Amino acid sequence: EVQLVESGGGLVQPGGSLRLSCAASGFTFSSYWMSWVRQAPGKGLEWVANIKQDGSEKYYVDSVKGRFTISRDNAKNSLYLQMNSLRAEDTAVYYCARDRRGVISDYWGQGTLVTVSS
Amino acid sequence: DIQMTQSPSSLSASVGDRVTITCQASQDISNYLNWYQQKPGKAPKLLIYDASNLETGVPSRFSGSGSGTDFTFTISSLQPEDIATYYCQQYDNPPFTFGPGTKVDIK
Repeated sequence: EVQLVESGGGLVQPGGSLRLSCAASGFTFSSYWMSWVRQAPGKGLEWVANIKQDGSEKYYVDSVKGRFTISRDNAKNSLYLQMNSLRAEDTAVYYCARDRRGVISDYWGQGTLVTVSS
Repeated sequence: DIQMTQSPSSLSASVGDRVTITCQASQDISNYLNWYQQKPGKAPKLLIYDASNLETGVPSRFSGSGSGTDFTFTISSLQPEDIATYYCQQYDNPPFTFGPGTKVDIK
């Protein structure tokens, strides 16, 4: 059974940093693109970033470029999102997702809440 | 970046009704479109990919069509468990933008 479990969310002050993790199991992690998608409270879904199987390609939404870094450790079956210079508008539930063919998010984690507030 | 719009933003329908949601892309995206269902407090669930392909295990009352810039998502006979928000998403080019969502409830 495919499972994705996010962790690392919490309350952080504006300008602070946080590192999210996503532990994957039930499939060959190194064979799939992976992505992060977020959802601000009461709002819609926003695609944040994705990463190729070997980490050689990464894409970001403009609003996080230069502040967020997606990475992965295939030996640990884990996906990460390093978030720096956090802003109030980054407050959201962050989901990790497995991307079939690199573009179809077919499995999602339960999400982890990031709150940026003083 | 490619912008996605959806209409309506919300709708109410009766059990058994046919429900249709439209999604429009700001440029030609061929058939590079997903549809997701999200219930309150839950993660999104993939329903349709490549604009018209039904994901394995998804009931056949759900369907999708379209190509280019205009797409349609249909529930042929609305069921109580279909109460949710539905999102389209393009994957022609990153960032893989989502539409704003359509909230569906029971009249």
